[in-house]
Amino acid sequence: NAGVTQTPKFQVLKTGQSMTLQCAQDMNHEYMSWYRQDPGMGLRLIHYSVGAGITDQGEVPNGYNVSRSTTEDFPLRLLSAAPSQTSVYFCASSTYGVANTGELFFGEGSRLTVL
Amino acid sequence: GDSVTQMEGPVTLSEEAFLTINCTYTATGYPSLFWYVQYPGEGLQLLLKATKADDKGSNKGFEATYRKETTSFHLEKGSVQVSDSAVYFCALYEDTGRRALTFGSGTRLQVQP
Repeated sequence: NAGVTQTPKFQVLKTGQSMTLQCAQDMNHEYMSWYRQDPGMGLRLIHYSVGAGITDQGEVPNGYNVSRSTTEDFPLRLLSAAPSQTSVYFCASSTYGVANTGELFFGEGSRLTVL
Repeated sequence: GDSVTQMEGPVTLSEEAFLTINCTYTATGYPSLFWYVQYPGEGLQLLLKATKADDKGSNKGFEATYRKETTSFHLEKGSVQVSDSAVYFCALYEDTGRRALTFGSGTRLQVQP
């Protein structure tokens, strides 16, 4: 039972570097999303997708890009990392969209530090 | 816009104590409400939910009642265990087009033996 798999679990970047956080799910979920978790601020939505080829912005999209070429994968790209992007990133997926049940399935998180 | 406010943590209790974690919300319509739990080193997982006023969600001994008149969804458990130590997030969903949950800031619970 893989569920939602995120890689890498830990990453250290220098300011200005680029990288991609990978997310894959094996539950055939239409809906996938990326959140960031910061102390005292809960989780904030970065981007989401309701199906292959369809993406949209969340609450804090600046500095991040996404694409959804397959149902299974939803990578998050940081084009030019900044210290403000130091955070824990969670990928989450759901069937029929969040509206149906509210049950999101989360990956274990990726801790990113930008120096 | 929508928002969720939770009590500040950490909450430290002895085993078998009664737990309450307060959660209040602001929404324009009639949201669905959720409690998620995050155990150390893991992602979040759904603990319980309620989709309309006066509904009670329950799971693993935890309960929460959707109170529209007080815009609250407080989490309770009658007797906590050390294994309940985790961070608890209150969240809401309202169909405003963004298709996303709005999370509170989380409350860390520490249960001591």
